[in-house]
Amino acid sequence: TQLLEQSPQFLSIQEGENLTVYCNSSSVFSSLQWYRQEPGEGPVLLVTVVTGGEVKKLKRLTFQFGDARKDSSLHITAAQPGDTGLYLCAGKNSGNMLTFGGGTRLMVKP
Amino acid sequence: EAGVAQSPRYKIIEKRQSVAFWCNPISGHATLYWYQQILGQGPKLLIQFQNNGVVDDSQLPKDRFSAERLKGVDSTLKIQPAKLEDSAVYLCASSPGHGETQYFGPGTRLLVL
Repeated sequence: TQLLEQSPQFLSIQEGENLTVYCNSSSVFSSLQWYRQEPGEGPVLLVTVVTGGEVKKLKRLTFQFGDARKDSSLHITAAQPGDTGLYLCAGKNSGNMLTFGGGTRLMVKP
Repeated sequence: EAGVAQSPRYKIIEKRQSVAFWCNPISGHATLYWYQQILGQGPKLLIQFQNNGVVDDSQLPKDRFSAERLKGVDSTLKIQPAKLEDSAVYLCASSPGHGETQYFGPGTRLLVL
């Protein structure tokens, strides 16, 4: 069974601060995705990273895939209250099945 | 374009009762997924359909859970009988094909008392 561990589980910060969320596994994934889920809604895909060492930027969000394709990080610069939500990483294996991490619940206070 | 539709949005039942959830995927999407998301955890895949055939149901508790997608479009997930530990959000997702980007519905929040 492939497991993805996310840290921290909870994060409460002030508006304007920076933060990093980590997603770690002992397994290699063909690709890794990051989702954001708001209360009462389903997860929404933010980005997919495929190549080891790949870095993708989405406005104030920077996503990195580890060189060995076992881990990933999400960095948010100058967080805003609108960034509040549950951030989920999900790894895709060779069978194209998604395995989700436990999530990081982020609260950004104004 | 309409997203994935799910109903009901909320359901409260007593243990040992039965419950059914419905999902209508995005039009034209061949692949449909049901996930279980327990509070504080990430979604766990229960079953995946490709058109009206099952691709993977290895994590579906088949003694009490069943799912069907008879005409390859909408799908139902049933729990019979429900247990307290089935309390969770049940998410439906669809994708154009196997392995492609998944689009999630809003989920059905189930509380078993």
